[in-house]
Amino acid sequence: GDSVTQMEGPVTLSEEAFLTINCTYTATGYPSLFWYVQYPGEGLQLLLKATKADDKGSNKGFEATYRKETTSFHLEKGSVQVSDSAVYFCALRGPYNTDKLIFGTGTRLQVFP
Amino acid sequence: DAGITQSPRHKVTETGTPVTLRCHQTENHRYMYWYRQDPGHGLRLIHYSYGVKDTDKGEVSDGYSVSRSKTEDFLLTLESATSSQTSVYFCAISGGDSTQYFGPGTRLTVL
Repeated sequence: GDSVTQMEGPVTLSEEAFLTINCTYTATGYPSLFWYVQYPGEGLQLLLKATKADDKGSNKGFEATYRKETTSFHLEKGSVQVSDSAVYFCALRGPYNTDKLIFGTGTRLQVFP
Repeated sequence: DAGITQSPRHKVTETGTPVTLRCHQTENHRYMYWYRQDPGHGLRLIHYSYGVKDTDKGEVSDGYSVSRSKTEDFLLTLESATSSQTSVYFCAISGGDSTQYFGPGTRLTVL
């Protein structure tokens, strides 16, 4: 079945460092791909998404490119801030499912001043 | 922010008691979902609804039931709570454009 694999955390960075969080997927067809972010004590918020191969999603300085050839959707940010500390979830929506999402296990990011 | 509320936000109960969690939306979205979040598992889908009185099971539905008698409300019931159901429960909604919007969560502890 469809699945999402994320790098294990926590990822610990200093402020202004470059961030990469890896995400790979297994799916039939061409799924839509998402990154959600969860700040402490809150629900998940959509960060960015891409619906077809080679699409780049971007928001708040974060970017991810849908790579069909490597089945990946890695999250990047050029310069992280302390306020980016959160848990990041990669997810996919299969093309034949009724809006159901399959999530990775999440990666905790900790940014220190 | 999408208009989604969950109640209660926190609940402590004892094994064997019934528990109902409520999700309420003001967006008139068709799809509603219940997830549970546990360390090391991410979010797992319990049940979902694609319209009033139309519901289906997710990947971890055993021990849970749902009902949706109105567009705006989606109830999750634990008929007889067990300690393995201690978790954080999230409701989500979607208008069919593939983006899901999440509520603030309910932290449930079963003693």
